[in-house]
Amino acid sequence: DTAVSQTPKYLVTQMGNDKSIKCEQNLGHDTMYWYKQDSKKFLKIMFSYNNKELIINETVPNRFSPKSPDKAHLNLHINSLELGDSAVYFCASSLAGRTGELFFGEGSRLTVL
Amino acid sequence: DQQVKQNSPSLSVQEGRISILNCDYTNSMFDYFLWYKKYPAEGPTFLISISSIKDKNEDGRFTVFLNKSAKHLSLHIVPSQPGDSAVYFCIFGNEKLTFGTGTRLTIIP
Repeated sequence: DTAVSQTPKYLVTQMGNDKSIKCEQNLGHDTMYWYKQDSKKFLKIMFSYNNKELIINETVPNRFSPKSPDKAHLNLHINSLELGDSAVYFCASSLAGRTGELFFGEGSRLTVL
Repeated sequence: DQQVKQNSPSLSVQEGRISILNCDYTNSMFDYFLWYKKYPAEGPTFLISISSIKDKNEDGRFTVFLNKSAKHLSLHIVPSQPGDSAVYFCIFGNEKLTFGTGTRLTIIP
């Protein structure tokens, strides 16, 4: 069983479309994250949720909207996709307060044409 | 504003020798420091950590050194094995994690 699973793993779409990436963790963790790895290989945090509550929201365009229906899921919805949104998006989870020990998903490669 | 720098994008080391990966940082407010390892098509996985009050932490073949005065973090792997070939990220933590850009380590059999 995959501890942190993301779907889809690959997503190719046109500019202007709306898309979602789903994330689920079966580790019983309280905190979930979305990270973006850009073309320069920087891994940057986008959002963090603890028990469905938003606790970190970095400077991310409001076209990106995370949704946490329960503490095991954190989905990322992106409206009006732009070329610059092309990246690998990683979901991660951790126990509350254990921000150093993240468990990452395999990543979702988004390509915007 | 790049607070964490891994100046070597790649490194090749012979099997059995020591691999040394380096990282420099600018922010003095980090509480702890970590190394993560990433294989292709997989997410990063936790490798080893060190708190800001220590200068060395060892776990098997992996040792992390912290030089706070120089704001420098390093990871030593000895002896290096082919399975160590991966991208290594140094990460600095307070209320959130700040990732370096990664160093691709290749162990040559």
